[in-house]
Amino acid sequence: ETGVTQSPTHLIKTRGQQVTLRCSSQSGHNTVSWYQQALGQGPQFIFQYYREEENGRGNFPPRFSGLQFPNYSSELNVNALELDDSALYLCASSPGQYSETQYFGPGTRLLVL
Amino acid sequence: QQQVKQSPQSLIVQKGGISIINCAYENTAFDYFPWYQQFPGKGPALLIAIRPDVSEKKEGRFTISFNKSAKQFSLHIMDSQPGDSATYFCAATDTNAGKSTFGDGTTLTVKP
Repeated sequence: ETGVTQSPTHLIKTRGQQVTLRCSSQSGHNTVSWYQQALGQGPQFIFQYYREEENGRGNFPPRFSGLQFPNYSSELNVNALELDDSALYLCASSPGQYSETQYFGPGTRLLVL
Repeated sequence: QQQVKQSPQSLIVQKGGISIINCAYENTAFDYFPWYQQFPGKGPALLIAIRPDVSEKKEGRFTISFNKSAKQFSLHIMDSQPGDSATYFCAATDTNAGKSTFGDGTTLTVKP
């Protein structure tokens, strides 16, 4: 059984650029959630996708968008990057829309200069 | 608005001691309360979790105590080991909304 994988592991961008982060969910999982974890803080919920539809969203602006593909992998897109977007971006998959348990990937570390 | 408050921010315990981390929540829609362990460079890993209809859950050296009326829950790590040194996050999940809210974490250091 393959766990949650994310790519790339690290990324450096400049302010104003756009970035795409990728996540492959655990086998058999149809729900993916994205979180932003700033240094020294807990993960903050960005949004969740269930069967290719956005299922819930946290307090993030529209320049944070996502996609889920038929194989349940997912992308997080961030436009017009700001310095405060520098963080660890975590993807978590779960086996159902109302599943309690989430399995996290190792994250993508994004640095915006 | 911070909906899950976690304390202390950091904790130093001697090997063999008891580590206690506390969390408090506000939103009564939360119906699942997991604790995660995170090592540097890794994503959070589920450690133990509890539902609000249970007051205590124990798995090995890890115990969650839950007080629904006070909207508080805590993690107890018995016989703490240096390998337990990590950052611990409590979370509260509204499973209907598909959303988990995390505390700000507690950095635990277990001294040999």
